[in-house]
Formats: sequence, structure tokens, C-alpha cells
Amino acid sequence: NAGVTQTPKFQVLKTGQSMTLQCAQDMNHNSMYWYRQDPGMGLRLIYYSASEGTTDKGEVPNGYNVSRLNKREFSLRLESAAPSQTSVYFCASSEMSGANQPQHFGDGTRLSIL
Amino acid sequence: SQQGEEDPQALSIQEGENATMNCSYKTSINNLQWYRQNSGRGLVHLILIRSNEREKHSGRLRVTLDTSKKSSSLLITASRAADTASYFCATASNAGNNRKLIWGLGTSLAVNP
Repeated sequence: NAGVTQTPKFQVLKTGQSMTLQCAQDMNHNSMYWYRQDPGMGLRLIYYSASEGTTDKGEVPNGYNVSRLNKREFSLRLESAAPSQTSVYFCASSEMSGANQPQHFGDGTRLSIL
Repeated sequence: SQQGEEDPQALSIQEGENATMNCSYKTSINNLQWYRQNSGRGLVHLILIRSNEREKHSGRLRVTLDTSKKSSSLLITASRAADTASYFCATASNAGNNRKLIWGLGTSLAVNP
């Protein structure tokens, strides 16, 4: 049982390049989330999808776009990467929307932007 | 925006000892959750405690919640080297649409063999 799978695990980009981070969950969860984790800042919510077909902005959405491709998959796109987006990105899912649910996390994508 | 603040920021103990971490928060909550993060891995959910609960147990973990003091504690009894990790609290506000968790900065626990 894989849970939440993120690809790639590591990536180095040059400023201005674009890329898409992939996330898939096999738990039939309705809600999915993208976070970034930076030293001294804690986890910050970028975007979330309460259910298939819906997406909403989180705390730090600027510079990112998301797509809820289907119930399993939720991708995060950086259109023009900036050094400030160097971070560890985590995808998570929960059975239902709302903050009364445990969230299940992938192991992250470590992204460096030069 | 940070809601939970864990204390201490770092804790180092010997195997077999108990470890206590605290979390304070600012606004009224629906629930509070504790997560563990091993180095280089994602977060793992440990316990969810609702605002009308005072204490919850799971194996060697004991969580308490004091809503009057806006604080929670996580106790790990008889610690093991495998408990070495960062521990985070996350709160769910009871305001608005209540869709988001607000995360603390974590306590880094080192359990020495």
C-alpha cells in the first residue's frame, strides 16, 4: 500500500525554468494538499483541493498553479521558477475535506532553484 | 500564519527516559493534531484530540489538551532511538470554513542509545 507518492524526489532547476511536481494517492481520499516546508517557517499551505474538480488557494499560492487531474492525482506547477521557491514540497491527502481529518503525507520533493 | 508553538525547540534524552513536548496556540480550536517527521521523510499522523477531550492515549503516546490555557502536551514514555524525529502540532480553527490546519515549527527530539 503506497499511500501518497510524489515524483520526483529531487530536482535542480535554473531560474525561469518550469516544472510540474506530481502527486498520487491510492487511499481513495477526497481531499489533497500541497505544502512547502522551509527552515524556521514550518509547513505552509500552497493550494488544496477539497474534492475532485475543485481547487483553492492556501497561504502562499503566488508563483504556483495546481491541477486536480482526477481523484487520485494532484499536481503542482511552477511556471517560472525563482530562487525563493527553493524548498521541500509535500503533498498530503485526507479522507474528507476540513481540518478535522488526519492528513497523510508523501515523502516530499526537494527542489533547488539556482 | 503560525498558530501552534512547540516547546522546547530541541530535546535530547537517553533511551528509556520519557519525553514531553508542549504546544501552545492562540485561537479557539476544533481539534489539535500531533505529527512525527523522521529525517528526510514526510509527516506521519500520531494523534488527533478534539476540543471536548482532555486526554488521549495511543501506545506509548499520551496527549493532553487544556483549552483554558490553549495548550497541549505530547508525552512519549520509555523512549527508543527510533523515536528520534521532529514532532509537530497542528490546530484546526473552529472559525470560518475550517478547511486548513495551522502548523507549529516543531520540536526536534534526539533519543540517545
